[in-house]
Amino acid sequence: AQKVTQAQTEISVVEKEDVTLDCVYETRDTTYYLFWYKQPPSGELVFLIRRNSFDEQNEISGRYSWNFQKSTSSFNFTITASQVVDSAVYFCALRPASGGSYIPTFGRGTSLIVHP
Amino acid sequence: DGGITQSPKYLFRKEGQNVTLSCEQNLNHDAMYWYRQDPGQGLRLIYYSQIVNDFQKGDIAEGYSVSREKKESFPLTVTSAQKNPTALYLCACSSPGQPVGKLFFGSGTQLSVL
Repeated sequence: AQKVTQAQTEISVVEKEDVTLDCVYETRDTTYYLFWYKQPPSGELVFLIRRNSFDEQNEISGRYSWNFQKSTSSFNFTITASQVVDSAVYFCALRPASGGSYIPTFGRGTSLIVHP
Repeated sequence: DGGITQSPKYLFRKEGQNVTLSCEQNLNHDAMYWYRQDPGQGLRLIYYSQIVNDFQKGDIAEGYSVSREKKESFPLTVTSAQKNPTALYLCACSSPGQPVGKLFFGSGTQLSVL
């Protein structure tokens, strides 16, 4: 069985602060994909990134960066110099890469509030 | 523009009533999904369909039904058997090369009980 844990229910920061959203996962699959999605107040989840289990390179995209550590089963997401527009609920998800069901499992989400 | 459209945005259900939520996509994706989102609960899978005329139960299918008669459409019916239907319902679709596993979501239907 797969499981994704986002222990932080809500995080509140002031604009320009750096913030890290934690994601810890459990799976018996040897190959899998990890994802982050953003859900702004409008409700629609927006894809941010996909990471393959065999690629542990960290990734940076503008103010966003992702730290994948297979040894600790974590896929953390950092926003540098946060902005009010970053306020949203962020979901981490896990999906097998082969065999059986290709249905992703989502964490419970972390609500990020960025104050001006 | 290609995308996935859910309607209505808000829906109210009376006791004993069945209601149907619409989900239409013009991305030509084969797979479609219905998720339920409750505050603090994350996304829970209700039903999914990998191809037309075929669908599978998810983790919380009781009290719901679906059909997949056309590739672009995947309506969800919330039946009177679903005793606690108040939630945000999200429809999604995916295709193998998008990249693999990426879901495209609609903006959701918020269902409430009168």
